[in-house]
Amino acid sequence: GAGVSQSPSNKVTEKGKDVELRCDPISGHTALYWYRQSLGQGLEFLIYFQGNSAPDKSGLPSDRFSAERTGGSVSTLTIQRTQQEDSAVYLCASSLRASGTHNEQFFGPGTRLTVL
Amino acid sequence: GQQVMQIPQYQHVQEGEDFTTYCNSSTTLSNIQWYKQRPGGHPVFLIQLVKSGEVKKQKRLTFQFGEAKKNSSLHITATQTTDVGTYFCARLSMEYGNKLVFGAGTILRVKS
Repeated sequence: GAGVSQSPSNKVTEKGKDVELRCDPISGHTALYWYRQSLGQGLEFLIYFQGNSAPDKSGLPSDRFSAERTGGSVSTLTIQRTQQEDSAVYLCASSLRASGTHNEQFFGPGTRLTVL
Repeated sequence: GQQVMQIPQYQHVQEGEDFTTYCNSSTTLSNIQWYKQRPGGHPVFLIQLVKSGEVKKQKRLTFQFGEAKKNSSLHITATQTTDVGTYFCARLSMEYGNKLVFGAGTILRVKS
């Protein structure tokens, strides 16, 4: 596709349920990032993939959060046993490379997660 | 850590006034990127600065990289309501196999 896509665009779930968020990066982009953004706040880094491996998982808030990337393309972010504090917009971004030139990030529209 | 500090956090200007946001680091930056996020939207890449003292312009936006490569600024001349949004700077962190570390952002509101 032309840009980064994310699904679903909105997700409302009940506390304690698991959710899975999907990101389709721009074709050919090797680096993929997940961020979380609460209303009116900055970007909270969650995890970063280079290819299928995740050199940096330091931003994952707890062991309820996990992510994977397969085939160097699609990534899923899974939140188990969701809590109300997990409510936020989850943004995915991809870049052609992680460093050097062409490392500017292209963001998807985000998934707005609401945990009731 | 390798954070970048952005100031101000928030600015409300009258349409036609100028606006500047600053990004500061305690360590030398290899490069700096700027992004804009419109209300309800997602961050969009604006520009990357690499060279010491570099100045780049995009219409009414002027981006500057300090001589010591420890600070950067974004200046908007004669703001318009379309400039409303949050402006983020981001630095490349060499930790963990290279990733961008974003500043907290400056929220710009423009009164017409």
